[in-house]
Amino acid sequence: QSALTQPASVSGSPGQSITISCTGTSSDVGDYNYVSWYQHHPGKAPKLVIYEVSTRPSGVSDRFSASKSDNTASLTISGLQAEDEADYYCSSYTSSSTLVFGGGTKLTVL
Amino acid sequence: QLQLQESGPGLVKPSETLSLTCTVSGGSITSSSYYWGWIRQPPGKGLEWIGSLSYSGDTSYSPSLKSRVTISVDTSKNQFSLKLSSVTAADTSVYYCVRGGYYYEDWGQGTLVTVSS
Repeated sequence: QSALTQPASVSGSPGQSITISCTGTSSDVGDYNYVSWYQHHPGKAPKLVIYEVSTRPSGVSDRFSASKSDNTASLTISGLQAEDEADYYCSSYTSSSTLVFGGGTKLTVL
Repeated sequence: QLQLQESGPGLVKPSETLSLTCTVSGGSITSSSYYWGWIRQPPGKGLEWIGSLSYSGDTSYSPSLKSRVTISVDTSKNQFSLKLSSVTAADTSVYYCVRGGYYYEDWGQGTLVTVSS
């Protein structure tokens, strides 16, 4: 299985919105509503921010939203804050009953 | 509050077997509906799913690691473990144990394992 495709980096100014894409195939993202997103600050454990395409866990800011269309999932962070600067990873369930991650996107808050 | 804690050697020699244990506290490892898994992150690289184990004992492994990986559970100790055989420098990573299913809400803090002679 190949890793899902994410942009290596995105950036935005405080208060702005950014979107991170995550492209897979019809054997993973396109076929299952089991896409999740993780925020990872270096040196800490990753944190789940979205599961099942667009559901936020309890305690996650509503500035985080997500969606999916065909083989591509997207994470949007609105009202950017300095604390949002981190690496973001998408993940999907696959037709092989495994999970696969994206390569990760580094978000820089300018 | 569920807590996961990885433990094991921080240094493993090439060709040997990497062995890690995850101790679960604040909940039972035999709880239904959950999978217990391992994820790793090589230095400077992204997250990689290694595999998972269901509460009923079913396992699923990454195709790229399947021939070298075993995940097992010790219910008496509320622990699950990872064994990765024939390691090389490419297996040097931070290894995380996780709980979830199709997604992982609970993570250990991670442990760095270096493969070097």
